[in-house]
Amino acid sequence: AQKVTQAQTEISVVEKEDVTLDCVYETRDTTYYLFWYKQPPSGELVFLIRRNSFDEQNEISGRYSWNFQKSTSSFNFTITASQVVDSAVYFCALRHTGGGNKLTFGTGTQLKVEL
Amino acid sequence: GAVVSQHPSWVICKSGTSVKIECRSLDFQATTMFWYRQFPKQSLMLMATSNEGSKATYEQGVEKDKFLINHASLTLSTLTVTSAHPEDSSFYICSARDPGRGQSYEQYFGPGTRLTVT
Repeated sequence: AQKVTQAQTEISVVEKEDVTLDCVYETRDTTYYLFWYKQPPSGELVFLIRRNSFDEQNEISGRYSWNFQKSTSSFNFTITASQVVDSAVYFCALRHTGGGNKLTFGTGTQLKVEL
Repeated sequence: GAVVSQHPSWVICKSGTSVKIECRSLDFQATTMFWYRQFPKQSLMLMATSNEGSKATYEQGVEKDKFLINHASLTLSTLTVTSAHPEDSSFYICSARDPGRGQSYEQYFGPGTRLTVT
């Protein structure tokens, strides 16, 4: 069974602080994909990153960075120098290659960035 | 590219009535579409997988007679909530897969439809 755990329900930071959102996953598949999505108050999901299970290289995109650790089944997301516009709910998701390529979402982390 | 639209963006209906939500892939043909449901402050839960020209596959616990899904063309899937009740009030999100993008099996999400049943 696939499972994604985002233990942090809500995080509040002050603008310009760095913040890391945790994601731990469970799967029996050897090939799978991990995702992060941002959901602002408007509700529309914004795709942030996709990582396949064979690529453990960390990635940086502007103020965003991702740390994929297969050994601990974690795919953490760090926002550097957070801004108020980063306030949103962030979802981590897992897609396994079988079973119709369904996405399993974590419960989400509400990030609040205050001035 | 890979834009998915939903209509309406929000709808209010009376208890006992039916409401139809449309999901369209605007610039690609989607052989597979997915319907999700999201309650306030909760995660997205997959309701069903819709394949063009065939019956939808529902997740466990989802009433297929209540949530009718039709995927009649490669660019349109519809979700009809029949005999809606207040507990059906939720945010419904669709996604579509673009087979033309190789093996990535990427899902592209629509903006969601907020349903309120009074």
